[in-house]
Amino acid sequence: KAGVTQTPRYLIKTRGQQVTLSCSPISGHRSVSWYQQTPGQGLQFLFEYFSETQRNKGNFPGRFSGRQFSNSRSEMNVSTLELGDSALYLCASSLVGTDREETQYFGPGTRLLVL
Amino acid sequence: GNSVTQMEGPVTLSEEAFLTINCTYTATGYPSLFWYVQYPGEGLQLLLKATKADDKGSNKGFEATYRKETTSFHLEKGSVQVSDSAVYFCALSDRSFKTIFGAGTRLFVKA
Repeated sequence: KAGVTQTPRYLIKTRGQQVTLSCSPISGHRSVSWYQQTPGQGLQFLFEYFSETQRNKGNFPGRFSGRQFSNSRSEMNVSTLELGDSALYLCASSLVGTDREETQYFGPGTRLLVL
Repeated sequence: GNSVTQMEGPVTLSEEAFLTINCTYTATGYPSLFWYVQYPGEGLQLLLKATKADDKGSNKGFEATYRKETTSFHLEKGSVQVSDSAVYFCALSDRSFKTIFGAGTRLFVKA
């Protein structure tokens, strides 16, 4: 079974631009979560989607948004990029996301550099 | 709210040394506990998990026991290898649609 895929793997943008990152979950997984990983803040939860609905959101400004499509693929968008948005963005999928015993399967991440 | 605290790194060990990475948690209810590992340039992958008190998770020589009385889930390995060099994350999951991760502990193993 194919793993979680994320595209692109690397991205360089300048301040003020916007960016869209894509995540394809493991086949059959309907829950997709996004995390931001930085050396200073560690792994921070961005949001979680299930059946095209956002069920939970972390403490990030409104510039961070996401969506999920009917095939469970998900995108996240960051508008008006700031230098501090430079990070590794990780996507994780699981079957339903409400079973506390579920394992999350992570993609390799998209490394975003904002200049 | 729920939280996870793990020992700060980096941890530097020689090959074949004993490893302990401490992890404690704060949670209401009965969360599941996980250890994930991140190798350089990769995403996280599950190392082991435990879903109820006194459960022991194990994989690839690593072990951790869910201790509800001390709210801990310490990771141990009897003899580390250079290939174990990575960042290790302790995490908990309840029914809130998100997993809470610790800050991560970087492990360096020297030959």
